[in-house]
Amino acid sequence: AQSVTQLGSHVSVSEGALVLLRCNYSSSVPPYLFWYVQYPNQGLQLLLKYTSAATLVKGINGFEAEFKKSETSFHLTKPSAHMSDAAEYFCAVTTKGGSEKLVFGKGMKLTVNP
Amino acid sequence: DAGITQSPRHKVTETGTPVTLRCHQTENHRYMYWYRQDPGHGLRLIHYSYGVKDTDKGEVSDGYSVSRSKTEDFLLTLESATSSQTSVYFCAISESLRGNNYGYTFGSGTRLTVV
Repeated sequence: AQSVTQLGSHVSVSEGALVLLRCNYSSSVPPYLFWYVQYPNQGLQLLLKYTSAATLVKGINGFEAEFKKSETSFHLTKPSAHMSDAAEYFCAVTTKGGSEKLVFGKGMKLTVNP
Repeated sequence: DAGITQSPRHKVTETGTPVTLRCHQTENHRYMYWYRQDPGHGLRLIHYSYGVKDTDKGEVSDGYSVSRSKTEDFLLTLESATSSQTSVYFCAISESLRGNNYGYTFGSGTRLTVV
């Protein structure tokens, strides 16, 4: 069965600093990978997705992620953090032929300090 | 979120009482899901539906049942609520099971407290 691992539960950066949120996946077949963002007291919103086209995926709000098969990773980055980026971020995976439904990581809370 | 609404948004109920949460969509998507969100666990799938009257269990289905009598509505029922079911419940919809076109679209959630 597929799974994703988000190590740690919280990351703190300064405004203007690089944001790097790590996600590693486990899958025996090619995966589809997603990043979602959840702002306080809201539902989840799709940031970006990888579905076997370009390995570098650009999403909303200046975020991007790179699929690296050799490292089984799909890390989320943003060059310069903004206060409005403070939220919880979830990595998710689905595969063809398995259960196929989205499986989420445990989430990573991002704090942006002024 | 546009096209998907959950009701109620908040509910406090007593242990042992039945509770029904409703998810309504206007997107005519085939697939609907119920997740629960708990600190340290991320989102875990409770049940999902792949069509009217077609439902299946997720990873944390014990104590929950679902029904889908119309494309647009997906109900989650806690037959006899327990304190361990205190959580935030999210409904999601998608065109495909894998969500490869637009991902899953989530509702705003229902915060359920069982006292």
